Amino acid sequence: AQSVTQPDIHITVSEGASLELRCNYSYGATPYLFWYVQSPGQGLQLLLKYFSGDTLVQGIKGFEAEFKRSQSSFNLRKPSVHWSDAAEYFCAVGASYGQNFVFGPGTRLSVLP
Amino acid sequence: DAGVIQSPRHEVTEMGQEVTLRCKPISGHDYLFWYRQTMMRGLELLIYFNNNVPIDDSGMPEDRFSAKMPNASFSTLKIQPSEPRDSAVYFCASRDGTSGSFVGRGGELFFGEGSRLTVL
Repeated sequence: AQSVTQPDIHITVSEGASLELRCNYSYGATPYLFWYVQSPGQGLQLLLKYFSGDTLVQGIKGFEAEFKRSQSSFNLRKPSVHWSDAAEYFCAVGASYGQNFVFGPGTRLSVLP
Repeated sequence: DAGVIQSPRHEVTEMGQEVTLRCKPISGHDYLFWYRQTMMRGLELLIYFNNNVPIDDSGMPEDRFSAKMPNASFSTLKIQPSEPRDSAVYFCASRDGTSGSFVGRGGELFFGEGSRLTVL
């Protein structure tokens, strides 16, 4: 079974600063990886996804993530954070078979003006 | 497309009462999932359906919880009787398992806005 860890529970950055949110997964086969964002009182919205091919994936809202198989990581990055990026971010891994999507515990992002 | 639609958005009830949460998946999606989100346990998969058939309900906490999908456009999650520890946000999600970019195994999960349940 797959698992996901997000080492940082809460991160605070200043507006305009760069951002990196960490995600590590455990899965024996080729993983399918996702980043979702959840604003307060809202559902989860897909930011980006990785299935295969280019390991640097571009998403919405200026986010990107890089898949590193050797490190079992799929870290999310943004070069310049906006105040509207304050939210909860979830990394998820989907199995090659079946429908078991496993979500990490989430990282809450706060943005200082 | 209207997206995944859940109702009610908020429900406050008293312990022992029956609670029914509703979900309308995205048209054409053949998988439907029910998740529960709490501070302590994060996002937990409760049950999922494929073509209206329950496939895996191992995440359903106990017999007080039941879920049905009578047709492709409607699902319910019922709690009877409800308890304070059931207080959480319940999300419905759907996906297309037959096409999309998921290497031939369908697309990503699309989530509704959730139903926040408070049991007093």
